[in-house]
Amino acid sequence: EDQVTQSPEALRLQEGESSSLNCSYTVSGLRGLFWYRQDPGKGPEFLFTLYSAGEEKEKERLKATLTKKESFLHITAPKPEDSATYLCAVPTLSAGGTSYGKLTFGQGTILTVHP
Amino acid sequence: DAGVIQSPRHEVTEMGQEVTLRCKPISGHDYLFWYRQTMMRGLELLIYFNNNVPIDDSGMPEDRFSAKMPNASFSTLKIQPSEPRDSAVYFCATRPSYTDTQYFGPGTRLTVL
Repeated sequence: EDQVTQSPEALRLQEGESSSLNCSYTVSGLRGLFWYRQDPGKGPEFLFTLYSAGEEKEKERLKATLTKKESFLHITAPKPEDSATYLCAVPTLSAGGTSYGKLTFGQGTILTVHP
Repeated sequence: DAGVIQSPRHEVTEMGQEVTLRCKPISGHDYLFWYRQTMMRGLELLIYFNNNVPIDDSGMPEDRFSAKMPNASFSTLKIQPSEPRDSAVYFCATRPSYTDTQYFGPGTRLTVL
């Protein structure tokens, strides 16, 4: 069964203290790995898609990397406005196994950055 | 573009009542997804449609839940009768056929008393 596991569940950082979030996955065939950001009271907002091992993508203080078994979201010198829940997801087979139409999400990492 | 539109944003109802949640997808997006999010279970896919046709409803918890997409511009998720354990945030997401990237609406927070 396809699975996505995120760690840690929660992470508290001081402003400027760099760290990484982990997303490990078990899928029959990787068709991409997605990162989303979710602010309280809002829907998830798309950040990145990574398609192959070794690929990296950056956006402001965020950099996402991908290996054959996991992805990391590196946060460099975070600011309080980076506080949010970060979700990763992978495309998985629909019931009946005929198409990769849906995304399976991890439980998320709640990031809090203190000033 | 206005993005995915959901209504109502908040719904408070009593156990046993019928609840209808609504979603208007982004124009041109032919996939539509309904999710439920709780602290305990995270973000769960309930059902999704492609070109208005239900493709995978394996996440629908029980017969009290039903979803329809009568046209490309509108979808509903109905709970009848509602129960307190249905309290959650329900999201609608859509995407075009050429990408797996989904775009989420703001959600409907449902409270069943």
